[in-house]
Amino acid sequence: AQSVTQLDSQVPVFEEAPVELRCNYSSSVSVYLFWYVQYPNQGLQLLLKYLSGSTLVKGINGFEAEFNKSQTSFHLRKPSVHISDTAEYFCAVSLSGGYNKLIFGAGTRLAVHP
Amino acid sequence: DVKVTQSSRYLVKRTGEKVFLECVQDMDHENMFWYRQDPGLGLRLIYFSYDVKMKEKGDIPEGYSVSREKKERFSLILESASTNQTSMYLCASSPSDRGANTGELFFGEGSRLTVL
Repeated sequence: AQSVTQLDSQVPVFEEAPVELRCNYSSSVSVYLFWYVQYPNQGLQLLLKYLSGSTLVKGINGFEAEFNKSQTSFHLRKPSVHISDTAEYFCAVSLSGGYNKLIFGAGTRLAVHP
Repeated sequence: DVKVTQSSRYLVKRTGEKVFLECVQDMDHENMFWYRQDPGLGLRLIYFSYDVKMKEKGDIPEGYSVSREKKERFSLILESASTNQTSMYLCASSPSDRGANTGELFFGEGSRLTVL
């Protein structure tokens, strides 16, 4: 069975500093990988996704993530964060091949301070 | 613009009341899902539906039921609300077409339910 581990429940960072939110997954088969963002009192929005091809994926708002198959990781990065990036971030995995069930990590709360 | 709409953003109910949470999507998606979100636990799947009148249990179905009478509408029902069902409830949808089916979900804005 698949599982997703987000290694940090909270990440505090100063504005304009770089940030990395870590995500590891376990699966014996090929997967699709996703990062979603949730701003306060809102639903989840897709930030970026890895389906196949280049292992470096670029998303909205300047975020990017790198798929590392050997380390089963999909860490999210941004070189310079803004106050508006304060939100909760969820990593998720689904099986490739058309089966449609998304497994979520517990979430990482990113707090950007001035 | 694609849209998943949840009828109530905030609800306050009393223990034992019957609660309906409604979700409508305008993307003609076959698949619809109900999750609950709790701090430190992420999103947990309650029920999902792959077609009209079809439903399958997710990871935490106890205390909940669902209804899907039309393709665009998926309702979550709490037959007798309890305080441990206080939570954020998120509805989502996705296409089932094999070419488009990557697992990506489209979410509503959530319904925050408080049971007193």
